[in-house]
Amino acid sequence: EAGVAQSPRYKIIEKRQSVAFWCNPISGHATLYWYQQILGQGPKLLIQFQNNGVVDDSQLPKDRFSAERLKGVDSTLKIQPAKLEDSAVYLCASSGPGLAGGPTKETQYFGPGTRLLVL
Amino acid sequence: AQKITQTQPGMFVQEKEAVTLDCTYDTSDQSYGLFWYKQPSSGEMIFLIYQGSYDEQNATEGRYSLNFQKARKSANLVISASQLGDSAMYFCAMGPTGANNLFFGTGTRLTVIP
Repeated sequence: EAGVAQSPRYKIIEKRQSVAFWCNPISGHATLYWYQQILGQGPKLLIQFQNNGVVDDSQLPKDRFSAERLKGVDSTLKIQPAKLEDSAVYLCASSGPGLAGGPTKETQYFGPGTRLLVL
Repeated sequence: AQKITQTQPGMFVQEKEAVTLDCTYDTSDQSYGLFWYKQPSSGEMIFLIYQGSYDEQNATEGRYSLNFQKARKSANLVISASQLGDSAMYFCAMGPTGANNLFFGTGTRLTVIP
């Protein structure tokens, strides 16, 4: 079964530019997450979707970050305008039934991430 | 509020030896799950093992086992027979049952020495 797909893998932009990341979750997973992982830290949840609705976006800097999951499948995360401190790895994860052998429906499976560097 | 503490920023282990990575947590939830993930230099977070707070037996998955001590609020990961490919960052995480959101520790970098 295919895992979580993300693109692009790497992105370098100048500050104040905009950038978008794309994620396609594991087939059948209703819950999708975006995390930000700053160098030397653990991932921090930015936003969580259940199907196409937002469950938790309390940590999302809404003045510059936005995310959508219009059809309840793939999702995009946008930053506009980017700041230097947004340099990080952006990880997408999904959870739910559909991946045989998972110990719990809450187990999150992650994509390869997008490494963003803001200059 | 949930808090995960990993006190070992870096660990070294000889190939074929066992190693224990420490994790302590704090939560007011009665039912929760504990997870360990491996993050190689490629960046992907790889799920290793899960322990439910009401599970009486410690979880095992191949060479990975979770030493769960509920009263001490610890969930240490034990890797047996270390391999060179085990060199990576290891993250402990927890989340309330049914809520899906995970809280991660700061990670431990494991280096396996030939």
